[in-house]
Amino acid sequence: EVQLLESGGGLVQPGGSLRLSCAASGFSFSNYVMNWVRQAPGKGLEWVSVISGSGASIAYPDSVKGRFISYRDNSKNTLYLQMNSLRVEDTASYYCVRGDQTGDSWGQGTLVTVSS
Amino acid sequence: DVVMTQSPLSLPVTLGQPASISCRSSQSLVYGDGKTYLNWYHQRPGQSPRRLIYKVSNRDSGVPDRFSGSGSGTDFTLKISRVEAEDVGVYYCMQGSHWPWTFGQGTKVEI
Repeated sequence: EVQLLESGGGLVQPGGSLRLSCAASGFSFSNYVMNWVRQAPGKGLEWVSVISGSGASIAYPDSVKGRFISYRDNSKNTLYLQMNSLRVEDTASYYCVRGDQTGDSWGQGTLVTVSS
Repeated sequence: DVVMTQSPLSLPVTLGQPASISCRSSQSLVYGDGKTYLNWYHQRPGQSPRRLIYKVSNRDSGVPDRFSGSGSGTDFTLKISRVEAEDVGVYYCMQGSHWPWTFGQGTKVEI
């Protein structure tokens, strides 16, 4: 069974940093593209990053480019999202999602709150 | 980016009755391999989204057959043949044919 378990969320002040983790199990992690998708409280879904199976190819939307870094450790079956220079508008639940074009499996999410 | 537009945004339903959600994209979702990567997700309150339908009309494992997806090009529909109480929540369409992934605004289904 595919399992994705996010962790690392919490309360951080504007301008601060946080690192999220997503522990994967039940599938061959290195063979899959992985994504981060976020959802602000009461709002819709926004794609945040995509990373290839090897980790060599990564992309971000303009809203987080230059501030967020996605990377993975295939030896640990873990996906990471390093979030720097956090803004109030980054407050959201962050989900890791498996897949390139079909997003088949989602984790339970971890909540990031950016507030002073 | 491809804009995904859902309608309606709120859908009051009656148990046992059919329901339908529309999703339109700002450009064709036919990918270079000839496939159309239009997916539907269901999110219950307090839970993460769960994929129901992939590539327009394929039901995920464990998804009841009262759910069906159809459409082509830029126009897609999710139908529930007979709504059950567990179907409440928000439904999102998502396109994976063009980077970045983009989602519809969500349709809130309530009894």
